[in-house]
Amino acid sequence: AQSVTQLDSQVPVFEEAPVELRCNYSSSVSVYLFWYVQYPNQGLQLLLKYLSGSTLVKGINGFEAEFNKSQTSFHLRKPSVHISDTAEYFCAVSTGGSYIPTFGRGTSLIVHP
Amino acid sequence: EAQVTQNPRYLITVTGKKLTVTCSQNMNHEYMSWYRQDPGLGLRQIYYSMNVEVTDKGDVPEGYKVSRKEKRNFPLILESPSPNQTSLYFCASSFRVGNQPQHFGDGTRLSIL
Repeated sequence: AQSVTQLDSQVPVFEEAPVELRCNYSSSVSVYLFWYVQYPNQGLQLLLKYLSGSTLVKGINGFEAEFNKSQTSFHLRKPSVHISDTAEYFCAVSTGGSYIPTFGRGTSLIVHP
Repeated sequence: EAQVTQNPRYLITVTGKKLTVTCSQNMNHEYMSWYRQDPGLGLRQIYYSMNVEVTDKGDVPEGYKVSRKEKRNFPLILESPSPNQTSLYFCASSFRVGNQPQHFGDGTRLSIL
């Protein structure tokens, strides 16, 4: 069975600092990986996705993520965060078989001025 | 505009009073799903549907029912709500499972007293 672990429940950071939100998954077959963002009082929206090909994926709002098959990781990064990036971030994985997506527990990114 | 619409957005009700949360998508998506979001637990899947008349249990189906009579609609039914079903609920859809990202509704906040 597939599973997703987001190692940090909360990540505080100062504005303009870099940030990395960690995501590890467990699956021995091919995977599709997603990062979603949830702003306060809103639904989730797609930040970026990895389906195949280049392991470095660029998304919206300056975010990027790197797929590392050997480490089974898909960490999300941004070189310089803004106050407006304060939100909940979810990693999700779909793998062979049913491909029903599984979500991590989320990481709350808190950007301080 | 492509969207997933949930109603109501907010509801306060009492134990045992049957309620239905509606979900409708206008993108001709085959896959639809319901999640509940609770602090510290992330998104947990309640039920999903791969297509019309095809539904299956997710991770936390107890106390919920669903139906998929039409492609666009996927209502969530609480036959006899209890306080432990107080939560934030999200409906989501995608063209199919696997390599397609999900589109989420704006959420329904249910309080069961």
